[in-house]
Amino acid sequence: DIQMTQSPSTLSASVGDRVTITCRASQSISTWLAWYQQKPGKAPKVLIYQASRLESGVPSRFSGSGSGTEFTLTINSLQPDDFATYFCQQYNSYLFTFGQGTKLEIK
Amino acid sequence: QVQLQESGPGLAKPSETLSLTCSVSGGSITSYYWSWIRQSPGKGLEWIASLYYSGSTKYNPSLKSRVTMSVDPTMDHLSLRLTSVTAADTAVYYCARLVGDYYHHMDVWGKGTTVIVSS
Repeated sequence: DIQMTQSPSTLSASVGDRVTITCRASQSISTWLAWYQQKPGKAPKVLIYQASRLESGVPSRFSGSGSGTEFTLTINSLQPDDFATYFCQQYNSYLFTFGQGTKLEIK
Repeated sequence: QVQLQESGPGLAKPSETLSLTCSVSGGSITSYYWSWIRQSPGKGLEWIASLYYSGSTKYNPSLKSRVTMSVDPTMDHLSLRLTSVTAADTAVYYCARLVGDYYHHMDVWGKGTTVIVSS
């Protein structure tokens, strides 16, 4: 199995801040990585796919980068609606695996 | 816009077989891959299975002996069958659509259905 490790587990930030979440894969996954946002009681929502491609309808303050084993999700100018949990997921192989999540909290 | 809606029994007893359904509306089941994923506090998000509308399936090896995913395109729904359930199968179960030419990510998710396994 490809293990996905996110850091940090929890992140405290303020509205207007720029934040970065990191996801590391236990082996190379090229750019086959997606980022999801999840709010309590809701399903995950895709933000970024193929490491850096913005899903249609997602605000441009979200961006992704990386390849191989190290990836980042950056949120510029945090908005109140952005406080949620974020997951990365690899789809390089058909045993899809997810990171454990990063909870973004209001400072 | 395609929408997915999961449904299930809510509560199951240990050793029973769990049957879940995902209804697809606003779009076609054909020409896409589909997945089941579950989420529990203890294990996070866990991919269960994926299926192409024509029937080709892939399963998580950790669940493969107990899981069957199927599709009924005439009724526009997907099904998941999980046998010999235990408390470890307690989770929110989601269905999702996969998109992409060869490598597939999940672009649409259902709202999920909660399953509690308890005697």
